[in-house]
Amino acid sequence: DSGVTQTPKHLITATGQRVTLRCSPRSGDLSVYWYQQSLDQGLQFLIHYYNGEERAKGNILERFSAQQFPDLHSELNLSSLELGDSALYFCASSRSSGANVLTFGAGSRLTVL
Amino acid sequence: KNEVEQSPQNLTAQEGEFITINCSYSVGISALHWLQQHPGGGIVSLFMLSSGKKKHGRLIATINIQEKHSSLHITASHPRDSAVYICAVERSYQLTFGKGTKLSVIP
Repeated sequence: DSGVTQTPKHLITATGQRVTLRCSPRSGDLSVYWYQQSLDQGLQFLIHYYNGEERAKGNILERFSAQQFPDLHSELNLSSLELGDSALYFCASSRSSGANVLTFGAGSRLTVL
Repeated sequence: KNEVEQSPQNLTAQEGEFITINCSYSVGISALHWLQQHPGGGIVSLFMLSSGKKKHGRLIATINIQEKHSSLHITASHPRDSAVYICAVERSYQLTFGKGTKLSVIP
């Protein structure tokens, strides 16, 4: 157990639907990062939050949104889902917002049918 | 051209062999990360480097900032080292990933 908790582990849904992925960072970590891993694109950075504020945004679609709450857990919302959104979504956390060792969660596997 | 290039893409080694995986990047970075992803999908951070060399057990990572190049070495490889090794460069609070090197160590 890495200390980073992601739920759900697996999710199957239909095109057009909306889902929410949740991440609880390791105790004491203030930064949360979201990544998408698909077979054709590999690992891609989506978004980074530090202590509740957005720090960096990567290749995140407009249909996707995220936030980090006062208790530091984070949620990634995916809406109007398409087949191509099927992927593994990883959350990682670190102590601060600079160059830090990352601790990854086990991932949430999303399948869109 | 990708910002992060790894080689080789695939590597098969006999148990006990010395293994080297290379990573080249084309932009200025604040740090470079080496990650390990096992067949089950979980990702573990092995090293974070901004200069020089780091060692952890049988793993050694080096970085040459001027050459924009990093290497991951595994000494006395073991079947449990079989995994995908991913290089990622960090700048402006985000990571850009290489496509990974799939390592298979045969007993």
